[in-house]
Amino acid sequence: DTAVSQTPKYLVTQMGNDKSIKCEQNLGHDTMYWYKQDSKKFLKIMFSYNNKELIINETVPNRFSPKSPDKAHLNLHINSLELGDSAVYFCASSRGVGQGEGYTFGSGTRLTVV
Amino acid sequence: GDSVTQMEGPVTLSEEAFLTINCTYTATGYPSLFWYVQYPGEGLQLLLKATKADDKGSNKGFEATYRKETTSFHLEKGSVQVSDSAVYFCALSDRAAGNKLTFGGGTRVLVKP
Repeated sequence: DTAVSQTPKYLVTQMGNDKSIKCEQNLGHDTMYWYKQDSKKFLKIMFSYNNKELIINETVPNRFSPKSPDKAHLNLHINSLELGDSAVYFCASSRGVGQGEGYTFGSGTRLTVV
Repeated sequence: GDSVTQMEGPVTLSEEAFLTINCTYTATGYPSLFWYVQYPGEGLQLLLKATKADDKGSNKGFEATYRKETTSFHLEKGSVQVSDSAVYFCALSDRAAGNKLTFGGGTRVLVKP
């Protein structure tokens, strides 16, 4: 199936651990994104990459580090996890950076830090 | 900066009722506007979009018209079904802000049989 796929779907981990979330898209899109959705469903952009180049880097703690090995993949590594990092993280992609382009979202990774 | 404001939910309706979800925006440029829908346990799906003033986006019986004079993009459906129960997000993409998608806070809609 053509899609944006994220792994894992659920992640439960202890404070202080380091974890990664992987994202892959097979849509041939050039731009990929990470969004965080909090418990009140509010969505906020974290990062965006276009053809492996970082183009958006919002005010995010530097414990969060994105990595794009190629334009089909955008992974998110989180160091020293904190309770406040608990959220649903969505990966998305779009054909370009044109403002009329909608995004295709993955199904999300629910991260719970205990 | 850019922002999107939409009515808070939850909105509870009976099947076949008329649905309106209000959305207004603030943008420095001339944005494109979107509605996304999130069904329980799933990611967001693009429902409809409009890229210039007076454009009407439509899909699955939902409609929204880009109103530049009132900076609004209200979502409407004439007859809702139980399967329309979801969270609806209004969003904008602004070239002046690097084309990132800025979302409203979401409106939960519950349709009862």
